[in-house]
Amino acid sequence: DVKVTQSSRYLVKRTGEKVFLECVQDMDHENMFWYRQDPGLGLRLIYFSYDVKMKEKGDIPEGYSVSREKKERFSLILESASTNQTSMYLCASSLPAGLGNEQFFGPGTRLTVL
Amino acid sequence: GNSVTQMEGPVTLSEEAFLTINCTYTATGYPSLFWYVQYPGEGLQLLLKATKADDKGSNKGFEATYRKETTSFHLEKGSVQVSDSAVYFCALSDQYDYKLSFGAGTTVTVRA
Repeated sequence: DVKVTQSSRYLVKRTGEKVFLECVQDMDHENMFWYRQDPGLGLRLIYFSYDVKMKEKGDIPEGYSVSREKKERFSLILESASTNQTSMYLCASSLPAGLGNEQFFGPGTRLTVL
Repeated sequence: GNSVTQMEGPVTLSEEAFLTINCTYTATGYPSLFWYVQYPGEGLQLLLKATKADDKGSNKGFEATYRKETTSFHLEKGSVQVSDSAVYFCALSDQYDYKLSFGAGTTVTVRA
């Protein structure tokens, strides 16, 4: 089974701090994704990566950056955390387009910015 | 662009009741359709999927049929259990696009 792990289940940070969220997948998937989940808004794509060192902006990239130095690891960075970034963050991975498009999700990181 | 609209919740049911969650979509081309489920405190997991018109996806007693003529992919279960309490998301992807478009999610609570 595909396993996607995220570094923390719960995280509390202060406004202005730099925050790193880590995601690791063990199925050699090319694609990796970061979403944020907010009540009533569903999942919104922040960034995705289709290969090592490759990244593309999703629907809401402002205030975020990403890093993918190895195929299995995809990091989300909040350069200067703000209270409106309090949310649930979900990482996912998938095979290349055309091979089912099913995404496998990690358990999520609930981030609170005070 | 692609979009998914699913019925708003929350939905509260008694055990053994029939569940329907409506989902309609807008897409170009030939999308694949998915239902994901998120149990309390967990990430999303794929519940079922359909990749072409008239396909029926099924899993754990849930079913959904890909209806191209009505652009719908409604989720149904004939007899729900307390363990089905979760948030359900409808999603789609273009055939050659690896991105998913999600609906807002429907929270379902099943009472014993």
